[in-house]
Amino acid sequence: NAGVTQTPKFQVLKTGQSMTLQCAQDMNHNSMYWYRQDPGMGLRLIYYSASEGTTDKGEVPNGYNVSRLNKREFSLRLESAAPSQTSVYFCASSPRGMNTEAFFGQGTRLTVV
Amino acid sequence: EDKVVQSPLSLVVHEGDTVTLNCSYEVTNFRSLLWYKQEKKAPTFLFMLTSSGIEKKSGRLSSILDKKELFSILNITATQTGDSAIYLCAVVQGGKLIFGQGTELSVKP
Repeated sequence: NAGVTQTPKFQVLKTGQSMTLQCAQDMNHNSMYWYRQDPGMGLRLIYYSASEGTTDKGEVPNGYNVSRLNKREFSLRLESAAPSQTSVYFCASSPRGMNTEAFFGQGTRLTVV
Repeated sequence: EDKVVQSPLSLVVHEGDTVTLNCSYEVTNFRSLLWYKQEKKAPTFLFMLTSSGIEKKSGRLSSILDKKELFSILNITATQTGDSAIYLCAVVQGGKLIFGQGTELSVKP
């Protein structure tokens, strides 16, 4: 049982490059989320999708875009990477909003140089 | 502005000690509070608290919520080196989780 799968696990980008982080869940969850984690700052919500076809901004959406491709997949795109986007990114999913626990992927460590 | 604040931010104890981690919140439309443990990678779920005064327990870990004073505590008794981790508190608000900064716990042998 895979749960939430993120790819890639590690990535180094040059300033100005673009990339897409992929996330897929096999638990038939309605809601999916993207967080970033920086030292001393906990997890901050970038974007979330309450259901297929909808997306909403979280706390720190600037510099990112998302696509809820279908119920399983929720991707995060950096159009022009900046050093400030160096972080660990986590995708998560939950059955219905956050009425129950969220399940997290293993994270993507992104470095922008 | 909605916020979740954890204290202390870091803590070093010795095996066998008891620790108390704190989480206070100011969130509109509060629904529930969750505790997660994060070791090297993804956070793993510990507890969800919805009602005041009802203790949740799992082995040496326990947690309680006070909705009047807007805080929760996570207790760990007889700590072990395997308890070393970041403990994250999060509040459910409007269909999303708002996290605190986390408490980094280090348990020395």
